Amino acid sequence: GQNIDQPTEMTATEGAIVQINCTYQTSGFNGLFWYQQHAGEAPTFLSYNVLDGLEEKGRFSSFLSRSKGYSYLLLKELQMKDSASYLCAVMDSNYQLIWGAGTKLIIKP
Amino acid sequence: IAGITQAPTSQILAAGRRMTLRCTQDMRHNAMYWYRQDLGLGLRLIHYSNTAGTTGKGEVPDGYSVSRANTDDFPLTLASAVPSQTSVYFCASSYDLDRGGNEQFFGPGTRLTVL
Repeated sequence: GQNIDQPTEMTATEGAIVQINCTYQTSGFNGLFWYQQHAGEAPTFLSYNVLDGLEEKGRFSSFLSRSKGYSYLLLKELQMKDSASYLCAVMDSNYQLIWGAGTKLIIKP
Repeated sequence: IAGITQAPTSQILAAGRRMTLRCTQDMRHNAMYWYRQDLGLGLRLIHYSNTAGTTGKGEVPDGYSVSRANTDDFPLTLASAVPSQTSVYFCASSYDLDRGGNEQFFGPGTRLTVL
């Protein structure tokens, strides 16, 4: 079966760095996405990785290792507005997104 | 309209009633999707469409139907609602379906409660 695993909840301090991990087992691979979802709102796109390595976009970076079925999202210089759920999703061989349950990130002052 | 809109924002529905959730996008995207989001679970695909006139079944299609008469609109119908269909429903779109890297854009969601 297809499976995406990510921690349910993480807590971090304002100004610090946090890494949210995602492991996956899917039928085929056409890329991995990270989305941010604030409570009561729609998911919004953060990043896309299809090749191994690190993609940096401002305070956010995303890493992929296809051989290990592993990705992480790195958030630097945390701000209170980063409190949200972070969703990992893998595009399978049918180009459909398989979603993890999300990681709720709590930022404390 | 900017992006994707959904209606209604929320709805309380008696079991057995018929309900249509509306979704409209103005980005001229070819692909559209309906997901449901339940606490503790990832988004689950209900139905999708890769172009006007064609639709396909996702992971959890039972009890739901869709149509795609034109590029912009993709309504989701519950023929006879049941309590297990209580959920938050998101409509999404992307430029194409069968291309890697196509990010999906999401509507604001419809919160549906079936009693």
